[in-house]
Amino acid sequence: DSGVTQTPKHLITATGQRVTLRCSPRSGDLSVYWYQQSLDQGLQFLIQYYNGEERAKGNILERFSAQQFPDLHSELNLSSLELGDSALYFCASSPGTNYNEQFFGPGTRLTVL
Amino acid sequence: DAKTTQPTSMDCAEGRAANLPCNHSTISGNEYVYWYRQIHSQGPQYIIHGLKNNETNEMASLIITEDRKSSTLILPHATLRDTAVYYCIVRRQGGSEKLVFGKGMKLTVNP
Repeated sequence: DSGVTQTPKHLITATGQRVTLRCSPRSGDLSVYWYQQSLDQGLQFLIQYYNGEERAKGNILERFSAQQFPDLHSELNLSSLELGDSALYFCASSPGTNYNEQFFGPGTRLTVL
Repeated sequence: DAKTTQPTSMDCAEGRAANLPCNHSTISGNEYVYWYRQIHSQGPQYIIHGLKNNETNEMASLIITEDRKSSTLILPHATLRDTAVYYCIVRRQGGSEKLVFGKGMKLTVNP
């Protein structure tokens, strides 16, 4: 158990819909990262927040957005969903920005029908 | 971040040492070698990292060649629970904080 929690564990929805994935980092961790893992693209970095501020952006679509709240939990919002958005979405956390290890949550499996 | 090359897959007998190779011939002087693993769709798990000296922790050992162009992750006594996809990642310590995962290598530990 990494100490990072993600909800929901599974999510099934239809094309065109909007969903929100939630992540609670380990106690005290200020950095939160979001990754997407699909069969064809592998594990890809989406976005990072540090203490409420966006820190780095990766291959995140414009239909996707994220934020980190004052209590440090983070949400990833996915809108206008397409079949290709079906994937595992992982959240990871670390104490700061200059830290070696990222602690990953169990992931949310999103299925878009 | 530099690119890494790993075999697609490898088998190992339970109880034997598993030696997982990684090539990173374009590694820069300030880049570290990190290893993560992912057990069957669970979240990736950090294993170990190093710069140029060999490193050991409770999970594994990391051997980095003198020219730093390749490394080997050693699981000294592989168990069935070590069956996973192992990712070798090169990145600056703390910098460019994202992790860039390649395809990784599937290690299967057989009874």
